[in-house]
Amino acid sequence: EAGVTQFPSHSVIEKGQTVTLRCDPISGHDNLYWYRRVMGKEIKFLLHFVKESKQDESGMPNNRFLAERTGGTYSTLKVQPAELEDSGVYFCASSQRTGTNLRETQYFGPGTRLLVL
Amino acid sequence: LAKTTQPISMDSYEGQEVNITCSHNNIATNDYITWYQQFPSQGPRFIIQGYKTKVTNEVASLFIPADRKSSTLSLPRVSLSDTAVYYCLVDDLDTGRRALTFGSGTRLQVQP
Repeated sequence: EAGVTQFPSHSVIEKGQTVTLRCDPISGHDNLYWYRRVMGKEIKFLLHFVKESKQDESGMPNNRFLAERTGGTYSTLKVQPAELEDSGVYFCASSQRTGTNLRETQYFGPGTRLLVL
Repeated sequence: LAKTTQPISMDSYEGQEVNITCSHNNIATNDYITWYQQFPSQGPRFIIQGYKTKVTNEVASLFIPADRKSSTLSLPRVSLSDTAVYYCLVDDLDTGRRALTFGSGTRLQVQP
């Protein structure tokens, strides 16, 4: 079974440019999450999709970040315009929906390493 | 959310047993303890989860004392491939919120 995949693996852009990160979850997983670790900090939650709906956006840092999951399959995270402090590793994770309130195991992708110059 | 404290780093040798202790003094009644492992250039990977006493799977054991203010992840006979960062997470699983809360983790270096 294929795991969570992310594209690109690395991205180097200049301040002010736009970058779009893609995440393909494990097939059949309704839950999709974005996390990031900026330099020297801990991994932080950004947002959570259930199918195509945003369930929890509490971790999104500001309106320069836009996440979408049209059709409830893959997701994109766009940063526009990118700032220096956006540099870090962006992880995507997915999990099955069990139909209960208990949290399901999240499976992480390898991450996208973003460097904003 | 209960705050967790772990050693920043640990060193070990191949074949040894490694115990990583996590302190979570403010753990709540509904909180579970979960450990994740992260290899370089990869995302975190679930290892084990428990509520009290002892849990064992094919990868590790998790020991939780009666007061649940700490927990110990035990890795039997480590190999070089166990070199990774290990995260202790404590939060309420029975909730509508799915976000994981990561701390700083413990960087384990296994030497030959």
